[in-house]
Amino acid sequence: GAVVSQHPSWVICKSGTSVKIECRSLDFQATTMFWYRQFPKQSLMLMATSNEGSKATYEQGVEKDKFLINHASLTLSTLTVTSAHPEDSSFYICSVQGKFTYEQYFGPGTRLTVT
Amino acid sequence: SQQGEEDPQALSIQEGENATMNCSYKTSINNLQWYRQNSGRGLVHLILIRSNEREKHSGRLRVTLDTSKKSSSLLITASRAADTASYFCATPAGGTSYGKLTFGQGTILTVHP
Repeated sequence: GAVVSQHPSWVICKSGTSVKIECRSLDFQATTMFWYRQFPKQSLMLMATSNEGSKATYEQGVEKDKFLINHASLTLSTLTVTSAHPEDSSFYICSVQGKFTYEQYFGPGTRLTVT
Repeated sequence: SQQGEEDPQALSIQEGENATMNCSYKTSINNLQWYRQNSGRGLVHLILIRSNEREKHSGRLRVTLDTSKKSSSLLITASRAADTASYFCATPAGGTSYGKLTFGQGTILTVHP
């Protein structure tokens, strides 16, 4: 399977600032990546599908102007949380779609805390 | 939206015992996957079962799928403390296509040494 990394693993920021989270596919060219958020003791909620070279597709209820996604290369997708607020504090996880497989390969996640 | 519901929400057992987790889903699917998540970490794929399969094994894992009842179960035999984690079932959001997954609510498994 693919090896996926995320950076940073955790970040604390002040309310009103923007934070960028990187998701890298280390050994696999990923045309499609996914971004999820997860609140404590809850399941994963899909935020958006990131497609290399095109605009991301956002799930209903996810503000695209607040959660900016850029998938500029086959190995890197970034999620920028703009004007972060305490309610944006969460665990953000990316995944890479396997090639010709239903499996997804997940990054280790990024813990965002907005103070 | 969450398609899957899992039960129990939490399960606490002793090492050596078996652990069974159940997942139900709503729409027709062509496959169902199980993932594991250690606390504060990403998910790891455990096993995939296709809609034309009734049972699948991988090491100490046994997965069943009943498409008529729209349900699946994950059995972990001879559990170990290292099996302590959250377990999620996942189905294709579109029912059959590659891509988006819909995750169940998850079962938190605690295995006591």
